[in-house]
Amino acid sequence: LAKTTQPISMDSYEGQEVNITCSHNNIATNDYITWYQQFPSQGPRFIIQGYKTKVTNEVASLFIPADRKSSTLSLPRVSLSDTAVYYCLVGEGGGFKTIFGAGTRLFVKA
Amino acid sequence: ETGVTQTPRHLVMGMTNKKSLKCEQHLGHNAMYWYKQSAKKPLELMFVYNFKEQTENNSVPSRFSPECPNSSHLFLHLHTLQPEDSALYLCASSQDMASGGPYNEQFFGPGTRLTVL
Repeated sequence: LAKTTQPISMDSYEGQEVNITCSHNNIATNDYITWYQQFPSQGPRFIIQGYKTKVTNEVASLFIPADRKSSTLSLPRVSLSDTAVYYCLVGEGGGFKTIFGAGTRLFVKA
Repeated sequence: ETGVTQTPRHLVMGMTNKKSLKCEQHLGHNAMYWYKQSAKKPLELMFVYNFKEQTENNSVPSRFSPECPNSSHLFLHLHTLQPEDSALYLCASSQDMASGGPYNEQFFGPGTRLTVL
């Protein structure tokens, strides 16, 4: 399973765009990149998933360069309620083993 | 009830007690998971079940015993636990993982906060 590396923490202000980058140098051909969000004392919640280029949904965008060795989660116009831990996961769809790294703790300030 | 539910939400037990955690999913999924999250640590995958069959045991001590009677229910039986087992125990479910294709989204329950005295 590909290992992921993310910044430990990030600070932002309300209304700003936040970009969190994840490195996954050993990503395999069949691997997808998935991001989850977790609030304190709650289970993680799926945000977005992608394989290459750009994926956008109502919550976020995911940018994946051609070499797929990194990915960037983009949160537009964050609010205080976006304060959470964000996890980047890399894995093959057919595999059950799920490795959550330390994640990135995002603090959004007023 | 919708989504993934877990009971109890909080549990305090002594090291000699026997207790069970329950998870139920109402999403029609066939894969279910147990995770452990200790304070300020990443989630650790413990067990995975697919169509009621255990497919993953991530070197979990035998004092944790999972049970999956059907695709909608998952239990974690606890006995002779240690204080270091105190953590948030999370259950999740997903569609069955056919080989290839996208990574299936996991839906998590609210967790059981376990304290071992």
